[in-house]
Amino acid sequence: DVKVTQSSRYLVKRTGEKVFLECVQDMDHENMFWYRQDPGLGLRLIYFSYDVKMKEKGDIPEGYSVSREKKERFSLILESASTNQTSMYLCASRFALSPPHRRNSPLHFGNGTRLTVT
Amino acid sequence: AQTVTQSQPEMSVQEAETVTLSCTYDTSESDYYLFWYKQPPSRQMILVIRQEAYKQQNATENRFSVNFQKAAKSFSLKISDSQLGDAAMYFCAYRNYPRSNFGNEKLTFGTGTRLTIIP
Repeated sequence: DVKVTQSSRYLVKRTGEKVFLECVQDMDHENMFWYRQDPGLGLRLIYFSYDVKMKEKGDIPEGYSVSREKKERFSLILESASTNQTSMYLCASRFALSPPHRRNSPLHFGNGTRLTVT
Repeated sequence: AQTVTQSQPEMSVQEAETVTLSCTYDTSESDYYLFWYKQPPSRQMILVIRQEAYKQQNATENRFSVNFQKAAKSFSLKISDSQLGDAAMYFCAYRNYPRSNFGNEKLTFGTGTRLTIIP
């Protein structure tokens, strides 16, 4: 089974702190994603990485950055945490879709990190 | 940009009964993929079922089936013989058919439907 592990289940940080959310997957997936989940808004894509050292902005990248130095690890960084970044953060991974037999590959998710910024 | 709409924020169903969750989407593409994900209280998002737009046959996974109406851009999820373990948030999601060599197309989610099972 695919395992996507997020380092923290709950996190409480203060406004202005630099926050690191870590995600590790064990299936040699090329693509990795960070979403935030808020009630009534569903999941919104923050950043994604289609391979090592690659990154692309999602729909709501402001206030965030990412790092992917190794294939299995994708980090989300809140440069200066603010209260409006209080949310549930979900990491996901999947195989690249380019080989035909992988074109319907689904996302595999971690258990989420509930971040509270006070 | 593609959008996915789930118009039912909450639904409830009696145990052992059947329930249908609705999902509509907006796209100008002809080839794409649709997914239903389930998020139980444990927060782990789990793939329930997927449909490829070029396939006319509706996907089925045990008690879960979809009604895919391509012309109407509708993708509803039917859960038969509802069980207590089906209680969760259900998200509908859309993804374009891969175009680039990277195959890095994004998944767009709806806002979710919270399903409650009544014992």
